[in-house]
Amino acid sequence: DVKVTQSSRYLVKRTGEKVFLECVQDMDHENMFWYRQDPGLGLRLIYFSYDVKMKEKGDIPEGYSVSREKKERFSLILESASTNQTSMYLCASSLYRLLQGEQFFGPGTRLTVL
Amino acid sequence: DAKTTQPNSMESNEEEPVHLPCNHSTISGTDYIHWYRQLPSQGPEYVIHGLTSNVNNRMASLAIAEDRKSSTLILHRATLRDAAVYYCILRIPQAGTALIFGKGTTLSVSS
Repeated sequence: DVKVTQSSRYLVKRTGEKVFLECVQDMDHENMFWYRQDPGLGLRLIYFSYDVKMKEKGDIPEGYSVSREKKERFSLILESASTNQTSMYLCASSLYRLLQGEQFFGPGTRLTVL
Repeated sequence: DAKTTQPNSMESNEEEPVHLPCNHSTISGTDYIHWYRQLPSQGPEYVIHGLTSNVNNRMASLAIAEDRKSSTLILHRATLRDAAVYYCILRIPQAGTALIFGKGTTLSVSS
């Protein structure tokens, strides 16, 4: 069974803390994505990566950075967490050569910044 | 980006067919029509996708209008497990492109 796992289901952090969200996929996918999901706003793309050490900004990259040192792992970093980054964070992956193929999502991390 | 329009919510009874509509009047010739769904407290999951022809898989069927300006996701026999938010998404076949989610249709299923 294909799998995308995220390091935590729930996370509580304080304003100003550096936060790391980890995502691992076991499908040898080239593409990996980070979204955030907020009520009334749907899912919005933060960053994506189509290869190791490659990254592209999505629609809302401000306040975030990413790291892709290994193919299976894509990390989202909140350099200095703020309360407006309280959200559900979803990681996804897809196969590069299947340009119209499906994306596989992890279960999500619900982050609360106090 | 081409946009999609879906009803906010729909209701169904268990074991009845469900037809979830999606309008995409500005679709381009290369846009694929994707459907995802999101069950409560889970990440979205892929349901089906198509370009021009109707498509069937183990989860659902996708009926695409001849002019491609609308499509319908068909769940042949709704179960309580099918209660979810269903998203209709247009996607260009370009490597690395993300999905652009709208607000989707919240499907309720009653026993």
